[in-house]
Amino acid sequence: DIQMTQSPSSLSASVGDTVTITCRASQSISNYVNWYQQKPGKAPKLLIFGASSLQSGVPSRFSGGGSGTDFTLTISSLQPEDFASYYCQQSYSSLWTFGQGTKVESK
Amino acid sequence: QVQLVESGGGVVQPGTSLRLSCAASGFNFRTYGMHWVRQAPGKGLEWVAFISYDYSRMYYGHSVNSRFTIDRDNSRNILSLQMNSLRGEDTAKYYCAGREDHYSKYGVDVWGLGTTVTVSS
Repeated sequence: DIQMTQSPSSLSASVGDTVTITCRASQSISNYVNWYQQKPGKAPKLLIFGASSLQSGVPSRFSGGGSGTDFTLTISSLQPEDFASYYCQQSYSSLWTFGQGTKVESK
Repeated sequence: QVQLVESGGGVVQPGTSLRLSCAASGFNFRTYGMHWVRQAPGKGLEWVAFISYDYSRMYYGHSVNSRFTIDRDNSRNILSLQMNSLRGEDTAKYYCAGREDHYSKYGVDVWGLGTTVTVSS
């Protein structure tokens, strides 16, 4: 299976900060990485697909980058509603795998 | 509106079976690849299984392979997950999710609210 190693596992930030979460794949996966946001008690929400394409309706302060094995999710000008958990997920393999998640907390 | 509603969760004993269902509405279900994703209490997301829009491909996570079976009925807009030989580690909230993506390469953008399965003696 393709392993997705996400870091950090948690971070503290303030409104207005720029936050970057990284995800490393155990093998090259081209650009087949997707990013999700999940708030407590809610279903995940797709933010970014294909490493860098913004899902419809998602604010432009969210951006994704990378290819091969290293990927990033960046939140520019963090908003109060962005405090949540974030997960990367690879879809290169038919057997999908998720990263362990990053919890973004208020400093 | 676009909606997925899971049902069938509950408390069951180890070694028993359970069948989850997911009813789709508000979109063209028969063109969507569909997945089950689960989340154990306090843990991260784990992909469980996938079925293609045309029933031709099915894939399973290693932890459930040979115990779980994914199926769909495009005439009734229903996705299901038959879970056999349940174990304590199958305890989780189970989400159905999908996307209109024939090759399942771009994530899932439609999610249900989830149904909870607890396996305990």
